[in-house]
Amino acid sequence: QKEVEQDPGPLSVPEGAIVSLNCTYSNSAFQYFMWYRQYSRKGPELLMYTYSSGNKEDGRFTAQVDKSSKYISLFIRDSQPSDSATYLCAIFGNEKLTFGTGTRLTIIP
Amino acid sequence: EPEVTQTPSHQVTQMGQEVILRCVPISNHLYFYWYRQILGQKVEFLVSFYNNEISEKSEIFDDQFSVERPDGSNFTLKIRSTKLEDSAMYFCASNVQTGVGSPLHFGNGTRLTVT
Repeated sequence: QKEVEQDPGPLSVPEGAIVSLNCTYSNSAFQYFMWYRQYSRKGPELLMYTYSSGNKEDGRFTAQVDKSSKYISLFIRDSQPSDSATYLCAIFGNEKLTFGTGTRLTIIP
Repeated sequence: EPEVTQTPSHQVTQMGQEVILRCVPISNHLYFYWYRQILGQKVEFLVSFYNNEISEKSEIFDDQFSVERPDGSNFTLKIRSTKLEDSAMYFCASNVQTGVGSPLHFGNGTRLTVT
C-alpha cells in the first residue's frame, strides 16, 4: 500500500465552482499535513498546513483532516483561472515529507 | 519574504560526469532537504540534513550521491557519475525545525538533463 495516495486527475471545473481535492494515507504515525501548489517547472509552494483533525481556513482555501479515516482534503471556494496548477498533498512523518502524486487542476474561465 | 534559491536553473551534462547542484536555504533554517521529481512523476524524498550530518535518506540516495554544507549559507547535492535516469528536477527545501508547525519551503529547482 502506498504511503500517500492522491487521484492524479486531471480535474477541470468552471470558474467560480468549489473544488475538492483529496488524499489518503496509510501510516498513523504521520504527524502533520500540508498542501502545496505547483506551477509548471516551478517548486512546490506551500498553501496550508495543519496537524490536527478538523478544518483550517485561509481565505478561499480550507484544509480538512480526518485522522480516524486517514483522509485529508483541500477545498477551494470561488475558484479562479489563476488556481490552475497541480496540487500536492504532503504528509510529514519519520523525519521526511512524503508527497502524493499531485492532482492537476484546470479552472475554465 | 525570504526564499530558498537554487542554482543553476538548468544543468546539462554528459553521462558519467559529476554535477553539483547548489542551494541557499532560508537563513534561519536549520534542516535541509533534497527532493527530486522525474518528469510526470511525484516529488520524491532524497535526503535530509541537520547539524552537518545526514539525518535520513531514501533508497534513491545511493553512493553516487552526497550532500555538503561547505559554508554557513550553501547546501549542495553532488552526483558523482551521472546516469541517464538521473535526469529530473531537483528541489532543495529547508525548515526551521523538524516536526509540528514547521513546514518545508522549497526552491524553484534545478532541471538536470543527462545526455
